Amino acid sequence: GQSLEQPSEVTAVEGAIVQINCTYQTSGFYGLSWYQQHDGGAPTFLSYNALDGLEETGRFSSFLSRSDSYGYLLLQELQMKDSASYFCAVSPTNKLIFGTGTLLAVQP
Amino acid sequence: DAGVTQSPTHLIKTRGQHVTLRCSPISGHKSVSWYQQVLGQGPQFIFQYYEKEERGRGNFPDRFSARQFPNYSSELNVNALLLGDSALYLCASSPIVGATDTQYFGPGTRLTVL
Repeated sequence: GQSLEQPSEVTAVEGAIVQINCTYQTSGFYGLSWYQQHDGGAPTFLSYNALDGLEETGRFSSFLSRSDSYGYLLLQELQMKDSASYFCAVSPTNKLIFGTGTLLAVQP
Repeated sequence: DAGVTQSPTHLIKTRGQHVTLRCSPISGHKSVSWYQQVLGQGPQFIFQYYEKEERGRGNFPDRFSARQFPNYSSELNVNALLLGDSALYLCASSPIVGATDTQYFGPGTRLTVL
């Protein structure tokens, strides 16, 4: 089977940096994606790692290490609007398998 | 350009009833996928359609079915509703059906089964 584990909740203050980890057990996949979801709304794509290493997109960066079965999303210069749920996801075929999700609370 | 649209936004049904959810993909996108998201969990894959053909099916009972129309819009049907079917049903579209394609999600239909 395939499973992706994330911390259930993370709290940080405005302006800080936060890292959301994702550990996975899967037999193979094309890449690791990250999605943001505000309060049960539409998940929106944030970042994608096809290869090991760091991908940077503005305030968001994502990292993948296939040898360690591990990835993370790094959010810098946190803003109140970043309070949301964050999901890692793998695509072993043409579907997405989502992680358990992390609820990020940004405090003033 | 309009994003992925879904209807209805909310729906309340009773056990045993049938429901049809609708999705219109982003213009030019030919692939539509359906996901179920139970409160507090990540979305779970139900179906993927591309060019009106089923290209993938998740671990859901036969009560769940779907189809895609010539204009690439899609319907998800659920028969004999159970309380456990209460969830947010998300539709996602992508240009083709490749594994590396970003999927664009709609706002979802929140189904409550009483």
